[in-house]
Amino acid sequence: AQTVTQSQPEMSVQEAETVTLSCTYDTSESDYYLFWYKQPPSRQMILVIRQEAYKQQNATENRFSVNFQKAAKSFSLKISDSQLGDAAMYFCAYTGGGATNKLIFGTGTLLAVQP
Amino acid sequence: DAGITQSPRHKVTETGTPVTLRCHQTENHRYMYWYRQDPGHGLRLIHYSYGVKDTDKGEVSDGYSVSRSKTEDFLLTLESATSSQTSVYFCAISYTNTGELFFGEGSRLTVL
Repeated sequence: AQTVTQSQPEMSVQEAETVTLSCTYDTSESDYYLFWYKQPPSRQMILVIRQEAYKQQNATENRFSVNFQKAAKSFSLKISDSQLGDAAMYFCAYTGGGATNKLIFGTGTLLAVQP
Repeated sequence: DAGITQSPRHKVTETGTPVTLRCHQTENHRYMYWYRQDPGHGLRLIHYSYGVKDTDKGEVSDGYSVSRSKTEDFLLTLESATSSQTSVYFCAISYTNTGELFFGEGSRLTVL
């Protein structure tokens, strides 16, 4: 069965600095999708970034980028120039795609941003 | 805005009572999901639906049932609520071409 592991329950970063959140996963599939979701105190789940496994190029969305290492089954999220609004719970998620798109989530990393 | 609304947003109930949470979508998507979120567990899939009257179990389906009589509505029912079902429940829809799910705002359920 596929699993997603986030080994950092909490992280802290200074405003304007860079932070990296770690995620590893386990799967026997060769084609799949990986995601990072952000959950601020409002509780809303917000998609931050998506990576297709068949793409070697790391995805980037403004200040957010990933380091996707397929052989190592690693998918870390880098947040550059951290802002106070980045403070949230971050979830890594996996899906094998196909028809059902069932997402499997990690346990989350709570990110604090210090002014 | 994915057009998903959940109701109620907050509910407090007593052990043994039935509870139904409703998820409504406005965009006619085929796939809908119910997740629960608990500290230390992330989000876990309860049930999902792949069409009207077509549903299947997820990872933590015990104690829950679902129904989908219309494309736009996906109901989650706790027949007899227990304190272990105190949680935040999220409904989601799938955009199958891109893999990700889009979530409703969540429903916080407290079972006393």
